[in-house]
Amino acid sequence: QSVLTQPPSASGTPGQRVTISCSGSSSNIGNNTVNWYQQLPGTAPKLLFYSNNQRPSGVPDRFSGSKSGTSASLAISGLQSEDEADYYCATWDDSLNGVVFGGGTKLTVL
Amino acid sequence: DVQLVESGGGLVEPGGSLRLSCAASGFIFRSHTMSWVRQAPGKGLEWVSSITSSSSSTYHADSVRGRFTIFRDNAKKSLYLHMNSLRAEDTAVYYCARDLLPWFDPWGQGTLVIVSS
Repeated sequence: QSVLTQPPSASGTPGQRVTISCSGSSSNIGNNTVNWYQQLPGTAPKLLFYSNNQRPSGVPDRFSGSKSGTSASLAISGLQSEDEADYYCATWDDSLNGVVFGGGTKLTVL
Repeated sequence: DVQLVESGGGLVEPGGSLRLSCAASGFIFRSHTMSWVRQAPGKGLEWVSSITSSSSSTYHADSVRGRFTIFRDNAKKSLYLHMNSLRAEDTAVYYCARDLLPWFDPWGQGTLVIVSS
């Protein structure tokens, strides 16, 4: 069972907007910044967002990240077939003294 | 280009040992904290271990503390993970990643470790 809670799956049709949530506690999301990773099928994870809402170069602005209190969310607008992937949130946990991940959300583009 | 290439994975019996390696290029390796993250088959990501740039501090997840050791050779631009007393639940793809405190970027392609008799 993961420290951070994500829905196991999400879906949308091309062009739609999809949101993926990530819920934690005061010892992790509540006190630290959140990062998001995208893992395309059969590949290694790739950084999608850091520090809650900072987008590395090359990440389309269709993707946006936010954090409020002990929760964070990833939004994808103008959904495309190539967005089909697993998405993971992550942050530092002050109690565990280590990085914790969400269980991952499998995004399906219908 | 920043690149990380893992090696050393394979099949090992329960209770056995294995050493993973990660070769870095394209960035100043000696200046960065480095980490290992693993992913069991069909499962999510799990942080395993981290080591600071000068090796002054190491950190391990509870699940591997006392069995795994992370170390590095800055002259060789290489990161290592020595794994002892391996268990079936250690079966996973092990990724090496540059740790930008507290996010990981980039990640290597991973190396598969299978613990089975």
